[in-house]
Amino acid sequence: NAGVTQTPKFQVLKTGQSMTLQCAQDMNHNSMYWYRQDPGMGLRLIYYSASEGTTDKGEVPNGYNVSRLNKREFSLRLESAAPSQTSVYFCASSYNPSTDTQYFGPGTRLTVL
Amino acid sequence: AQSVTQLGSHVSVSEGALVLLRCNYSSSVPPYLFWYVQYPNQGLQLLLKYTTGATLVKGINGFEAEFKKSETSFHLTKPSAHMSDAAEYFCAVIPSSGGYQKVTFGTGTKLQVIP
Repeated sequence: NAGVTQTPKFQVLKTGQSMTLQCAQDMNHNSMYWYRQDPGMGLRLIYYSASEGTTDKGEVPNGYNVSRLNKREFSLRLESAAPSQTSVYFCASSYNPSTDTQYFGPGTRLTVL
Repeated sequence: AQSVTQLGSHVSVSEGALVLLRCNYSSSVPPYLFWYVQYPNQGLQLLLKYTTGATLVKGINGFEAEFKKSETSFHLTKPSAHMSDAAEYFCAVIPSSGGYQKVTFGTGTKLQVIP
């Protein structure tokens, strides 16, 4: 049981390049989330998927897109990376989005030059 | 809109001393409350949570937290700090008003344990 897995672990991009962060969970959870973590700002929600087939914007969605490929997988895409998107990105999942614990992946450290 | 305030971005304690990390929320209805811990270069993991019932909640690694409605607080404590407790701690809330609600995280408190 791997829990929540994320790839890649590290990535360096140049301004304007695109990339997709992958996330998968094997806990049969309904809801999945993408956060970014910046020093002194805690975790900020980028996008979430309350259930398979639905996605919604979070607190900081600009510059990102997501795809809930199936119940297991939730990807985050940066179409044209900017230095302001340098951050650590975490994927998380939960069974019940209203009350349940969220389970986090190990994170992706992204640097945009 | 709900918010979460964690007082003190950095807290230092001596090994064996009491750990007290503060969390206050602003919400007209008591929310569901969580404490998560993040060790260096790892994702967050749950320490403990309060949804309903007993207001004193015990979690992993000897931590506990008490929900105090009158003070809108959910402070995290541990009687005796251990070196392995050095980490960043996040308080989080989810409104309990039904339907799908998003979680709001505090800005985190880094705990340093001095030998």
